[in-house]
Amino acid sequence: GIQVEQSPPDLILQEGANSTLRCNFSDSVNNLQWFHQNPWGQLINLFYIPSGTKQNGRLSATTVATERYSLLYISSSQTTDSGVYFCAVNSGAGSYQLTFGKGTKLSVIP
Amino acid sequence: DGGITQSPKYLFRKEGQNVTLSCEQNLNHDAMYWYRQDPGQGLRLIYYSQIVNDFQKGDIAEGYSVSREKKESFPLTVTSAQKNPTAFYLCASKRGDSFSPLHFGNGTRLTVT
Repeated sequence: GIQVEQSPPDLILQEGANSTLRCNFSDSVNNLQWFHQNPWGQLINLFYIPSGTKQNGRLSATTVATERYSLLYISSSQTTDSGVYFCAVNSGAGSYQLTFGKGTKLSVIP
Repeated sequence: DGGITQSPKYLFRKEGQNVTLSCEQNLNHDAMYWYRQDPGQGLRLIYYSQIVNDFQKGDIAEGYSVSREKKESFPLTVTSAQKNPTAFYLCASKRGDSFSPLHFGNGTRLTVT
């Protein structure tokens, strides 16, 4: 099946700093999502982005499908950005299964 | 408001007992999923269902069972055969095409002692 690798596994930032999280995948995809899991375990949809670039406030994401990677940018980080960021993909028409990466654990310190 | 409701939020059981976790959605989604998350780990797929009265095993189905008698509901039973049932369980749903995003409930933390 498709493999998903996220980097870095852990990241510590000073409040106000910027960061880039990366997601590499091993096959072509027709669905790619970024999620944020907050400290209470809730998974929040950030982006649905199988290709192209999207922005939502301080967050933006870019997926380069031909090169099989996606990037999540966080600017002017805040302590509320702390948590785990997951990338999830599926591949193939009719595929209903999303495969998750192991996540990037982000800690933003004041 | 549309969403996915998982209940209860916390669940405690003794070893050897079966336990059923509830998942209800009012998003009119065709597909529903159960994932398991262990501390510090990613999500692993237990079972999924694309339509009513049909479901498929995911990567870690052993020791679990599901039913899909109604479009809105996809309960998960953790049986006594599951060797390490203590975990965080997440239910999700999406429209019935491979191009639509996945939405999650808030999860159930199961502790078996």
